Amino acid sequence: GAGVSQTPSNKVTEKGKYVELRCDPISGHTALYWYRQSLGQGPEFLIYFQGTGAADDSGLPNDRFFAVRPEGSVSTLKIQRTERGDSAVYLCASSVDRDSPLHFGNGTRLTVT
Amino acid sequence: AQTVTQSQPEMSVQEAETVTLSCTYDTSENNYYLFWYKQPPSRQMILVIRQEAYKQQNATENRFSVNFQKAAKSFSLKISDSQLGDTAMYFCAFMKRPSNTGKLIFGQGTTLQVKP
Repeated sequence: GAGVSQTPSNKVTEKGKYVELRCDPISGHTALYWYRQSLGQGPEFLIYFQGTGAADDSGLPNDRFFAVRPEGSVSTLKIQRTERGDSAVYLCASSVDRDSPLHFGNGTRLTVT
Repeated sequence: AQTVTQSQPEMSVQEAETVTLSCTYDTSENNYYLFWYKQPPSRQMILVIRQEAYKQQNATENRFSVNFQKAAKSFSLKISDSQLGDTAMYFCAFMKRPSNTGKLIFGQGTTLQVKP
């Protein structure tokens, strides 16, 4: 079946602009995760959704970052007033539940100029 | 807090030979999962192998096997009969069990190049 889909694949934006990154998880997966991967580093946890609610948002770096999952399926990561330090690959993953293996998408490469 | 360390930024191996990637971790937890993920240039993280901490037997998946040393907090990945398609970045990762969030803690990664 279809895997985790992330759009856009690449996004270039100017410093100070607002961006939205979309994640479409595997159908039936209740758990959804966002990770951020800086160049040459391992992914770092941002936020975890169980269904529609954010069960753990402890990884969000500051209040410019926000994520939603209104119907328990598609999720959107929103970044306000982007900064050059926000440049990274943003990975989305989903799983059947929080104890099951994560399935990752191909990520969105965000570049802030 | 848990940490995962991969001390080999880059490794190379000849096709058909065997290579071992190292990983150490630090935790006070007794029950957890350990993982190896592969990330090719497509950026997708692909699960290679999973080890449950309470199982003494080392996990294997075809050409991939691990050497899990719980007391030493070491978790190395052995790739046998290396293939060109194994060229990728490899990440070691930790997950506490039971997990309220399914959160993975990743190491810094090891770039593996398989040479023809």
